[in-house]
Amino acid sequence: NAGVMQNPRHLVRRRGQEARLRCSPMKGHSHVYWYRQLPEEGLKFMVYLQKENIIDESGMPKERFSAEFPKEGPSILRIQQVVRGDSAAYFCASSPGFRETQYFGPGTRLLVL
Amino acid sequence: AQSVTQPDIHITVSEGASLELRCNYSYGATPYLFWYVQSPGQGLQLLLKYFSGDTLVQGIKGFEAEFKRSQSSFNLRKPSVHWSDAAEYFCAVSSTGGGNKLTFGTGTQLKVEL
Repeated sequence: NAGVMQNPRHLVRRRGQEARLRCSPMKGHSHVYWYRQLPEEGLKFMVYLQKENIIDESGMPKERFSAEFPKEGPSILRIQQVVRGDSAAYFCASSPGFRETQYFGPGTRLLVL
Repeated sequence: AQSVTQPDIHITVSEGASLELRCNYSYGATPYLFWYVQSPGQGLQLLLKYFSGDTLVQGIKGFEAEFKRSQSSFNLRKPSVHWSDAAEYFCAVSSTGGGNKLTFGTGTQLKVEL
C-alpha cells in the first residue's frame, strides 16, 4: 500500500517564479490537507480539501497561494511570485474521511533564492 | 482557539533511560490528541492517538501517552529509550469543527546519548 506521495521532494525557485507542489493521497483517501513548516517551527495548517472542493482555507495566505484537488489527479498547492519567506517544508496529509487520522507524506522542501 | 504547548524544546537522555515528553493543550471541548515523530528530512509518522475511552493509549515503537483532562495534558512516555528514537516529536490537537485541521506544538527535539 503506497503512502502519501509528494513531488518534487526538493524544489528551488528564484524570487518571482511560480512553485507547484503535488500530492497524491493514499488509496481510498478523499480528504487532503496541506501544512507548512517554517525553519525551527512546528507545522501550520494551510488548507483542507475534498475532491473538487475547498473545505477550510483559513490558514492560507490571502495572496499568491492557491490549492486544488481535482476529480482526477493529485492535489496541487500553487505559489505564485515566490518570495524568500516562502522557503519552507510543505507537507501534505490525507485521510479516508472527516475527523479520521491524517497520514503525512515526506514533504516538499522549497528553497527560494 | 485551540493551542498546543510543548515546553521542552530539547531533551537529552541516555540510551536505556526512561523518557517523558510534555504536551499541554488548550481546547474548549474534548480534544482529539496525537503524537507524531519526524526524523530529519522526513515526513511525520503517527505514534499514537487519543479520541475517547481509556485515557492511557499505547502506540508504536513502545510509546504510550496518558490523557489527563484535569491537567489539560497528553504526555508521551517510553520506559527505555533506544538510540533510534532520536528525532523530533510533535504533539497535535484536532479541531472537531468543520475544518478537521491539526494544530501542532512547536516540537521537542530528542537526543539520545549512547
